[in-house]
Amino acid sequence: SAVISQKPSRDICQRGTSLTIQCQVDSQVTMMFWYRQQPGQSLTLIATANQGSEATYESGFVIDKFPISRPNLTFSTLTVSNMSPEDSSIYLCSVERSTEAFFGQGTRLTVV
Amino acid sequence: KQEVTQIPAALSVPEGENLVLNCSFTDSAIYNLQWFRQDPGKGLTSLLLIQSSQREQTSGRLNASLDKSSGRSTLYIAASQPGDSATYLCAVSSNQGGKLIFGQGTELSVKP
Repeated sequence: SAVISQKPSRDICQRGTSLTIQCQVDSQVTMMFWYRQQPGQSLTLIATANQGSEATYESGFVIDKFPISRPNLTFSTLTVSNMSPEDSSIYLCSVERSTEAFFGQGTRLTVV
Repeated sequence: KQEVTQIPAALSVPEGENLVLNCSFTDSAIYNLQWFRQDPGKGLTSLLLIQSSQREQTSGRLNASLDKSSGRSTLYIAASQPGDSATYLCAVSSNQGGKLIFGQGTELSVKP
C-alpha cells in the first residue's frame, strides 16, 4: 500500500483568493495524480504530475487555474487559483504502486 | 471514450443481507479495474484490484468479478454490516500509470 498525507483536510476560502494543497507520499513515485470531486459527482482527473517536467492537464483544466508543482519524487502541490464558488469540491491526490491506485484523504474546499 | 456506469445509484438493505453492486464500462480494452470505498467527505480506500487477465479477486467478505469481454464487473458483499455503509466506486484504467475513469458510485446504506 501507500501512505499519502494531504494538507489541509478542509478549508473555507473567499472568492478570488488561492489555496495550495500539499500531498506527501511515504516513498518515491514517478507520477502523482490530482483529482477533483464536485458535490454529488464522481472523480475527474485534473492533471498528472511528473518530477522534473511540467504537469499534463486533462481537457477542461488549465495550468493558470490549477498550477502544480512537483519538486521531488515524494511531494506535490496543487493550487486552486482565483477561486469561485464553482471550485467548491474535494480535491484528492493519488499515486500508483504495483498497478494499484491509492488516494489521500482529500481536501474539502468551500469557496464563499 | 471510456465511460463507466454503476447501478444502482443507491441501495438500502437490512443488516446481514448479501448484495451485489454492478459496474459496466464501454471500452473492453482496460488494463485493470479497481473498487473503492468512500466515506462521506473523505478520500478513497482501495478495496480490490482486478487485472485485465484475472476473473475475480476476494478479500474477506468482498468478492469482485470481471468479465472484460462484456464490459462488466460486480462487487459482491456477503453478510452486510452497518459499517459497510459508504459509497462504492469502480474505476478502470487503460494502461499502467494511466488515469482512472470512475463511475458515479453506488451509495450503500445497511440498516441495523
